[in-house]
Amino acid sequence: GQQLNQSPQSMFIQEGEDVSMNCTSSSIFNTWLWYKQDPGEGPVLLIALYKAGELTSNGRLTAQFGITRKDSFLNISASIPSDVGIYFCAGPDYGGATNKLIFGTGTLLAVQP
Amino acid sequence: GAGVSQSPSNKVTEKGKDVELRCDPISGHTALYWYRQSLGQGLEFLIYFQGNSAPDKSGLPSDRFSAERTGGSVSTLTIQRTQQEDSAVYLCASSLVGGRRTGELFFGEGSRLTVL
Repeated sequence: GQQLNQSPQSMFIQEGEDVSMNCTSSSIFNTWLWYKQDPGEGPVLLIALYKAGELTSNGRLTAQFGITRKDSFLNISASIPSDVGIYFCAGPDYGGATNKLIFGTGTLLAVQP
Repeated sequence: GAGVSQSPSNKVTEKGKDVELRCDPISGHTALYWYRQSLGQGLEFLIYFQGNSAPDKSGLPSDRFSAERTGGSVSTLTIQRTQQEDSAVYLCASSLVGGRRTGELFFGEGSRLTVL
């Protein structure tokens, strides 16, 4: 089936730094979604991308849908302590008959004040 | 409520006991999903409901796991004869189906299961 690999696995940065993470797939996706999970909470949708090449921003977050449709990138500018959490990319599993989402392996972000 | 509600938030049980986890999706969301997240791991798909039927049960780890949904709303995930490897956070999510927003899931806070 489809698999999503994220990198880096973890990041430890200083407050104010910019962050970049990516997600790659073994097959084509038509939708890319980025979620953030705070400790003890369920994941929350940050950004949704629906078109190859699309660049979408949500405050300090910017995500891009790769032209090949096999990758996506998430950037966070001027990080703050509340950015701490696990960031997951996700995409619909069109190989199956349903709309289930496949999630990436996650990128753990730690921000030091 | 406005969001997905799960109960219990924490459950500690002894090996061999059965457990039931409940999910109340967002009103009007026809799709409901169960995922499992083991410590420090990503999200593992378990089962998907469209209305009361489950077109995709491919992620259920064994026949000890079952789920049902009634009235197109509340869902219950049942684990029989629990094992220690069942310890994890069980996350429920719901979404609208169809159109551009397909796949945008809204998650509950999860039910943390610990099997001693």
